[in-house]
Amino acid sequence: EDKVVQSPLSLVVHEGDTVTLNCSYEVTNFRSLLWYKQEKKAPTFLFMLTSSGIEKKSGRLSSILDKKELFSILNITATQTGDSAIYLCAGHGQNFVFGPGTRLSVLP
Amino acid sequence: ETGVTQTPRHLVMGMTNKKSLKCEQHLGHNAMYWYKQSAKKPLELMFVYNFKEQTENNSVPSRFSPECPNSSHLFLHLHTLQPEDSALYLCASSQDKGQGTSYEQYFGPGTRLTVT
Repeated sequence: EDKVVQSPLSLVVHEGDTVTLNCSYEVTNFRSLLWYKQEKKAPTFLFMLTSSGIEKKSGRLSSILDKKELFSILNITATQTGDSAIYLCAGHGQNFVFGPGTRLSVLP
Repeated sequence: ETGVTQTPRHLVMGMTNKKSLKCEQHLGHNAMYWYKQSAKKPLELMFVYNFKEQTENNSVPSRFSPECPNSSHLFLHLHTLQPEDSALYLCASSQDKGQGTSYEQYFGPGTRLTVT
């Protein structure tokens, strides 16, 4: 059965800190690993990763995939209070399988 | 309207009621999804429609009945629900380009359902 695990489940940091969120996956017929940010309601798309070792970057956020170790990380540098959200990782194989999310709280 | 919309945003219903959730996507996508998000649990895929054909039914109880009349609209018909069905129901859409390719999903704001 396909599975996505995220760690930590919850994280509290102060503004300016750098955080690393982890995602490991077991997905049959793997196509991609996706990251989403969920604030109030709808998850919003951040990154889609299909190849190992190629970093995707958007502002202070970056992500990389290791297809050998079945692992991805999401980095956020110089965190801001607006980064407070649940960060979801999903594996896309036959279908989409989501992890439980990491709840990030950034304190002023 | 842009993106993915869902109505209603909030719904309270009794266990004997019948109601429907509606989702509409304005992105020209060919695949639509229903997910259930309960507290402290991962997003659970319920149904997938691809080109209006149901391609996935993830062992969902029959009290949930999906309908996809066209590639832009998706409904979830609800009847004789249980209190444990209370959750956030999210609709998503994507452009499925076929086997071997991947694509992101775009989510609607969700319907917060409470079953009393």
